Amino acid sequence: AQKITQTQPGMFVQEKEAVTLDCTYDTSDPSYGLFWYKQPSSGEMIFLIYQGSYDQQNATEGRYSLNFQKARKSANLVISASQLGDSAMYFCAMREGPQGAQKLVFGQGTRLTINP
Amino acid sequence: GAVVSQHPSRVICKSGTSVKIECRSLDFQATTMFWYRQFPKKSLMLMATSNEGSKATYEQGVEKDKFLINHASLTLSTLTVTSAHPEDSSFYICSASNPGRVIREQYFGPGTRLTVT
Repeated sequence: AQKITQTQPGMFVQEKEAVTLDCTYDTSDPSYGLFWYKQPSSGEMIFLIYQGSYDQQNATEGRYSLNFQKARKSANLVISASQLGDSAMYFCAMREGPQGAQKLVFGQGTRLTINP
Repeated sequence: GAVVSQHPSRVICKSGTSVKIECRSLDFQATTMFWYRQFPKKSLMLMATSNEGSKATYEQGVEKDKFLINHASLTLSTLTVTSAHPEDSSFYICSASNPGRVIREQYFGPGTRLTVT
């Protein structure tokens, strides 16, 4: 079974609009971490935001926020005021277990295109 | 911020030859590094976990004799693709976790695009 599911292969959004990228996860471990990474066409993986399973508040980093709904096992990424430079692949990932050097499991990714 | 470098960024090799890819953490010591493989328009698939001073841990289905990993120091891990074949052509990305940071997100290298002819 997929541990991380991103159901939107592609998203097209008008510049300056907000966009939500979906991510659901599956784990029985009470301690886990959820990450979002951006991958532009250059291939580099850029860390955007992190949410720990015990965090009480939704994570925010500038224009990025994570809509963490623990009971529904979802961790959607919200990008406010989208910019042309936001066009890229976006990956949701999960680390199972407490913080440490655990491996990440990635979702299938969503290709976001921002139209001018 | 933490930086991870990879070398080379692109390599083209002939079938049957071996290729070594280096992954370095530039401003922190990484006891653990990870090697991923990414096919075009696909997600990242973990190949192995590289542990400094010990043998790497390979994911199921990854041939350890074909993908040799060495983590000889706290800042360097290498992946050697032995006897490469065209089906090994892919984008290989390493990452490292900084134990000194609270969140410990993985910092990724820029990736190496391998083409086997």
